Amino acid sequence: DAGVIQSPRHEVTEMGQEVTLRCKPISGHDYLFWYRQTMMRGLELLIYFNNNVPIDDSGMPEDRFSAKMPNASFSTLKIQPSEPRDSAVYFCASSDYNSPLHFGNGTRLTVT
Amino acid sequence: QKEVEQNSGPLSVPEGAIASLNCTYSDRGSQSFFWYRQYSGKSPELIMSIYSNGDKEDGRFTAQLNKASQYVSLLIRDSQPSDSATYLCAVHRGNQFYFGTGTSLTVIP
Repeated sequence: DAGVIQSPRHEVTEMGQEVTLRCKPISGHDYLFWYRQTMMRGLELLIYFNNNVPIDDSGMPEDRFSAKMPNASFSTLKIQPSEPRDSAVYFCASSDYNSPLHFGNGTRLTVT
Repeated sequence: QKEVEQNSGPLSVPEGAIASLNCTYSDRGSQSFFWYRQYSGKSPELIMSIYSNGDKEDGRFTAQLNKASQYVSLLIRDSQPSDSATYLCAVHRGNQFYFGTGTSLTVIP
């Protein structure tokens, strides 16, 4: 299995622009999680899906953030408009019920 | 109270020594426990899972779980410079994973 695949690996954008991060979970995993990691706050859960349905989005910082999972093999996290404080590494991770979490390689976002 | 607490370190040990990393969790309903290793600029990588009280060994790594004390630990024997990384403790409860802030480990050659 190729593991969790995220794209792009790096994204540099200007404040106010729309940013879309993409994720392909491990085949057969029915849970998908989006995390954000910064030095100050560590690893923060933004949202997670079960069987493509958003279950808990209480970690999404504000309305500028949105996430979708149109099918079992694809999810997006969108930030519109982006702000410098959104700069972080964004991880997608997937799991099966009661199995460990497997992380993608992450997207390093820089908003200038 | 945080769900998962770790000593952030940094922890430094000489090469060949035993590194001991500790983690406590707040909810007794927690079901599964994991240790992840994260190298700088990389993603977290699963190194140990433990589900029941006691010890679990895998090579140079031993995970220990004590549910009564709500305590999980990771021992790394014969520490190597390549073990230098941040170690994240994670707890699975319900459908969610809760992470500690990580302990930074440096193994000095």
